[in-house]
Amino acid sequence: DIQMTQSPSSLSASVGDTVTITCRASQGIKNNLAWYQQKPGKAPKRLIYSASSLQSGVPSRFSGSGSGTEFTLTISSLQPEDFATYYCLQHDAYPLTFGGGTKVEIK
Amino acid sequence: QVQLQESGPGLVKPSQTLSLTCIFPGGSISSASDCWSWIRQPAGKGLEWIGQIQASGSTNYNPSLRGRVAISMDTSKNQFSLNLNSVTDADTAVYYCARRGANSGWSFDSWGQGTLVTVSS
Repeated sequence: DIQMTQSPSSLSASVGDTVTITCRASQGIKNNLAWYQQKPGKAPKRLIYSASSLQSGVPSRFSGSGSGTEFTLTISSLQPEDFATYYCLQHDAYPLTFGGGTKVEIK
Repeated sequence: QVQLQESGPGLVKPSQTLSLTCIFPGGSISSASDCWSWIRQPAGKGLEWIGQIQASGSTNYNPSLRGRVAISMDTSKNQFSLNLNSVTDADTAVYYCARRGANSGWSFDSWGQGTLVTVSS
């Protein structure tokens, strides 16, 4: 299985901050990675697909980068509605695997 | 993002079979370019992909479930189903169905709202 190591597992930030979350794959996955936001009691919502493509309707303060084994999700100018848990997903090989999640909390 | 809808019992006894169904009111599950998955999330924990089925009937499963899982589809009802047998309390989770496909970069672009299944006697 491809292991997705996501860091940090949690972080505290203030409105207006820039936040960076990293996912590292245990082997190369090209750009077959997506980022999701999940709020309590809700299904995950896709933010980024193919490592760097912004999902339609998602604010441009969200951006993704990376290829191979190292990927980042950046949230510029954090907004109150961005406090949530974020997950990466690799879909390069079966079984599909998610990162462990990053909880973004209000400082 | 298009919604799917899960349904099924919220309580299953240990050693029995968990059965859930997912429908796709907004379109057809017969599309050759889409795959239909089940994903679960224990309370307070991360997401685990269970498996998927394609319109051809081809399936892929997570080996972690050790052969306990089967996913099937009924195109006449526009739905697909999950059966997980020999359940234990470790199978207690929110279960999601989701779609991924060629037109959406091959990651999950549509999800159900999730359904909580509790394994308990």
